[in-house]
Amino acid sequence: EAGVTQSPTHLIKTRGQQATLRCSPISGHTSVYWYQQALGLGLQFLLWYDEGEERNRGNFPPRFSGRQFPNYSSELNVNALELEDSALYLCASDPRGKETQYFGPGTRLLVL
Amino acid sequence: TQLLEQSPQFLSIQEGENLTVYCNSSSVFSSLQWYRQEPGEGPVLLVTVVTGGEVKKLKRLTFQFGDARKDSSLHITAAQPGDTGLYLCAGVVSRTYKYIFGTGTRLKVLA
Repeated sequence: EAGVTQSPTHLIKTRGQQATLRCSPISGHTSVYWYQQALGLGLQFLLWYDEGEERNRGNFPPRFSGRQFPNYSSELNVNALELEDSALYLCASDPRGKETQYFGPGTRLLVL
Repeated sequence: TQLLEQSPQFLSIQEGENLTVYCNSSSVFSSLQWYRQEPGEGPVLLVTVVTGGEVKKLKRLTFQFGDARKDSSLHITAAQPGDTGLYLCAGVVSRTYKYIFGTGTRLKVLA
């Protein structure tokens, strides 16, 4: 069974640009979660999608947005990039009702 | 605010030593997970505990869920350099849909 996949693995942008990160959950998982992990720090919850709808949102500005597609894959968009957006962005999925998240390898975003 | 606090924050030990990492909260959790994360990679699930007082073993790792389901511990016996990494606890707060992560324990095992 394939795990959670994310693309790209690395992304370099400049301040003010937009970044799009993609995630494919494990087959059969309907929920997708996005987290930001700045260097050396813990995971900060960004967004939770389930069945195509945004269910919960962390304490991040509106320029962080996303969506979930009918096949349950998801996209995270970050507009008007700032230097402090540089981080590892992790996507996770879970089988509904199991309360356990499985993580992808992450996308490392560097904003110059 | 629901928090999961881990201690210690950092731990550097010699190969062969034992250690315990703690995860504490004032909230009750319906389940709790432990993950290990290596630099630049996503966290990898180690174990899920569900029942208060539950103990699970994974080779040299022993996980315990507190009786009140508010805390958990991870004990490593005879640590090895391969155990080096960031250990994270996480869980779903009971009666909510909130999945929160602990503050993390960064472990370094020296050969």
